[in-house]
Amino acid sequence: RKEVEQDPGPFNVPEGATVAFNCTYSNSASQSFFWYRQDCRKEPKLLMSVYSSGNEDGRFTAQLNRASQYISLLIRDSKLSDSATYLCAVNNQNAGNMLTFGGGTRLMVKP
Amino acid sequence: GAVVSQHPSRVICKSGTSVKIECRSLDFQATTMFWYRQFPKQSLMLMATSNEGSKATYEQGVEKDKFLINHASLTLSTLTVTSAHPEDSSFYICSAAPHSGSAPYEQYFGPGTRLTVT
Repeated sequence: RKEVEQDPGPFNVPEGATVAFNCTYSNSASQSFFWYRQDCRKEPKLLMSVYSSGNEDGRFTAQLNRASQYISLLIRDSKLSDSATYLCAVNNQNAGNMLTFGGGTRLMVKP
Repeated sequence: GAVVSQHPSRVICKSGTSVKIECRSLDFQATTMFWYRQFPKQSLMLMATSNEGSKATYEQGVEKDKFLINHASLTLSTLTVTSAHPEDSSFYICSAAPHSGSAPYEQYFGPGTRLTVT
């Protein structure tokens, strides 16, 4: 089983839709969680950190469920520009600053 | 803040030659930098962790004699692909965290280097 797993998609949604992605992790010692966005042939860019209490940044909401060992990303009112691959990343304190990435979920927002 | 640069952005080389890729943290110091490789339509794969002042830590299956890493200063790490072959063609990306120590922090990525070996 992979340490960090994501549904690869693609998720095809119309503009304005709400879409949610989940990411499961297997290491219960994981302590920090992040969502990155990667456009085609570009580097990943940090979208948001995921805090225990959940956090929101505009149309994006991230949540953490430690009991079930998953994090989620909710995108409201999808825009065409949201089309990208969304990568979750997990860190555990024993690994220093090393992040383990999921395989990414591809989102395509259509007009 | 937290800007990471990478050079070159694209390189084409002949089989058997060596290629050096530089990764710089522009506005912060990074005692640890990371090197990833990404093949088309695949996920990021960590190759090695580069530590300033000490030897890099390589992931299983990554040849340390082929992928030489030098973390010369708190703002510069280099990856040299030695005797490159066509199967080494990939997107190489570095990242750095703007803090040191064992506490986990966000990583910021360089723009990547697309290597094509002919």
